Amino acid sequence: DAMVIQNPRYQVTQFGKPVTLSCSQTLNHNVMYWYQQKSSQAPKLLFHYYDKDFNNEADTPDNFQSRRPNTSFCFLDIRSPGLGDAAMYLCATSPSGRETQYFGPGTRLLVL
Amino acid sequence: RKEVEQDPGPFNVPEGATVAFNCTYSNSASQSFFWYRQDCRKEPKLLMSVYSSGNEDGRFTAQLNRASQYISLLIRDSKLSDSATYLCVVNGDTGTYKYIFGTGTRLKVLA
Repeated sequence: DAMVIQNPRYQVTQFGKPVTLSCSQTLNHNVMYWYQQKSSQAPKLLFHYYDKDFNNEADTPDNFQSRRPNTSFCFLDIRSPGLGDAAMYLCATSPSGRETQYFGPGTRLLVL
Repeated sequence: RKEVEQDPGPFNVPEGATVAFNCTYSNSASQSFFWYRQDCRKEPKLLMSVYSSGNEDGRFTAQLNRASQYISLLIRDSKLSDSATYLCVVNGDTGTYKYIFGTGTRLKVLA
């Protein structure tokens, strides 16, 4: 059974049109992460939550926002997608931020 | 200096070969170490955690050298299906819940 679920798997949006990516987990893990990964690059951390505590990376653009309404769900909002935001977006969870991370299958975003 | 460094490769090896990857990390306070495997256009999947005592899982052996701040992955008897990118991942020091990724080492096993 899938433990970290991401929807949609593929998202096409227009330049400047807001988009929301979702992630849910059945693991009851405290920590949830959003990463952006571009071709041939390592995943780049955008932000993470420890429970409800939100931690933004210093170089994450303001265009990217996140919400975690409860333990199971986390959302990534891109307010005005640019062509440079086309990438794979990966959600991951960890029990307490020290152990193995569990990744969802990712959402591939295309910006036209 | 990058926090986690890997040789990007590609490593092209024949089937049956033994191949080794190294990864160095800069933060001596790092607590946890992992090797992930990532296939093209897929999510990273845990290959193995790395412990000070070293650990082995079938054809895969991982080692941690804290004194020199590197971890290694050895793959014996390479299979075509081992072709992938191998990501070295290091957990940060106390008080942080972040994982630092290397850029990955690409392996191609050739028939």
